[in-house]
Amino acid sequence: EVQLVQSGAEVKKPGESLRISCKGSGYSFTSYWISWVRQMPGKGLEWMGRIDPSDSYTNYSPSFQGHVTISADKSISTAYLQWSSLKASDTAMYYCARQGGGGYDLYFDYWGQGTLVTVSS
Amino acid sequence: QSVLTQPPSASGTPGQRVTISCSGSSSNIGSNYVYWYQQLPGTAPKLLIYRNNQRPSGVPDRFSGSKSGTSASLAISGLRSEDEADYYCAAWDDSLYVFGTGTKVTVL
Repeated sequence: EVQLVQSGAEVKKPGESLRISCKGSGYSFTSYWISWVRQMPGKGLEWMGRIDPSDSYTNYSPSFQGHVTISADKSISTAYLQWSSLKASDTAMYYCARQGGGGYDLYFDYWGQGTLVTVSS
Repeated sequence: QSVLTQPPSASGTPGQRVTISCSGSSSNIGSNYVYWYQQLPGTAPKLLIYRNNQRPSGVPDRFSGSKSGTSASLAISGLRSEDEADYYCAAWDDSLYVFGTGTKVTVL
């Protein structure tokens, strides 16, 4: 059974750093890209960027480029999303999702349960 | 900022047919496949439609997708109470994935 299990909720102060994780199981982790999606409170879905776990190649949405870092450790089938200096506006639910399909038909077929990040002084 | 525009809300009574539109441009919907996701309250999104009109296994055939030019639509026929959720269209735009603004479907 394919599963993406994310790390637990976090409460942080502005300026602190944070790394959240997404562990894949039930499939070949290096065969599928992983994306991160943000959902701010009461708002819609925003694609942040993705990583190819086989070689750690990444591409980011311009809206998030430079504000977050996506990485992966294929030895433990885990992808990460990290911030070096959090802001209150980073408060949101963050989802990881596996990119299924192939060719020009790429979609998110499995999702993690979400990690709630709260940034407050 | 979403580049795919959806109506903020849609509603219907049980058994009715509800349609949600998704308007994009030549760089996203006009040249790529459209996907639809369902997000039930308090849960992660779930893939509902891929490749414009294909349903993953387990998705009821009450859900159907279509695309024409730079627009797409999702239809829910035989509306049921468990269909009350947020629905998002999505497409690739060059190497970026863009979601629609989202539509909240209410079952009256």
